Amino acid sequence: GAVVSQHPSWVICKSGTSVKIECRSLDFQATTMFWYRQFPKQSLMLMATSNEGSKATYEQGVEKDKFLINHASLTLSTLTVTSAHPEDSSFYICSARTGGVYEQYFGPGTRLTVT
Amino acid sequence: GNSVTQMEGPVTLSEEAFLTINCTYTATGYPSLFWYVQYPGEGLQLLLKATKADDKGSNKGFEATYRKETTSFHLEKGSVQVSDSAVYFCALNFGNEKLTFGTGTRLTIIP
Repeated sequence: GAVVSQHPSWVICKSGTSVKIECRSLDFQATTMFWYRQFPKQSLMLMATSNEGSKATYEQGVEKDKFLINHASLTLSTLTVTSAHPEDSSFYICSARTGGVYEQYFGPGTRLTVT
Repeated sequence: GNSVTQMEGPVTLSEEAFLTINCTYTATGYPSLFWYVQYPGEGLQLLLKATKADDKGSNKGFEATYRKETTSFHLEKGSVQVSDSAVYFCALNFGNEKLTFGTGTRLTIIP
């Protein structure tokens, strides 16, 4: 149980375009989802926290207009990177938590390459 | 603020060697402590956790004990295998708040 999926697993896009990444909880209802960014050989940086039906809370320094997060249902959250640039190339990981349970379950990650 | 400090890698060991990856934390109060593992090309998996002082988390031969007096949560395994090669992250949180991660330690086990 407690499986989180991400789609796509990898994506290549051209500079200036937008790309959407999906995060789904497959067998539980995710009241809270988290989006992380991981740079090569570095730790995870929390980008934002989203609760179902509410606006996401972004961490300091993360541009909310560039990284649009939507938590539309209890099983789906999306991260849209708008007007992507090569510096946005990274590994994006989501995690999900259900109410009353503090453990986070992580997705397998999405590798974004902007050319 | 809260922070987690891990020993820097990379760490390279021979198969069946003893492993220790150090982790210390700074926090106000008593957080829950975690070790996550990330295999190549994959997301993070929870390896083990401890929620209060003196608790010992264990899984797959790995162990870590929550030491309040030294604010540490060192990861140990008595005999590593090639399949243990991965990046290991120490992390903490309070209740349902966000996780704070260490920088990760890359472990490579050679046959």
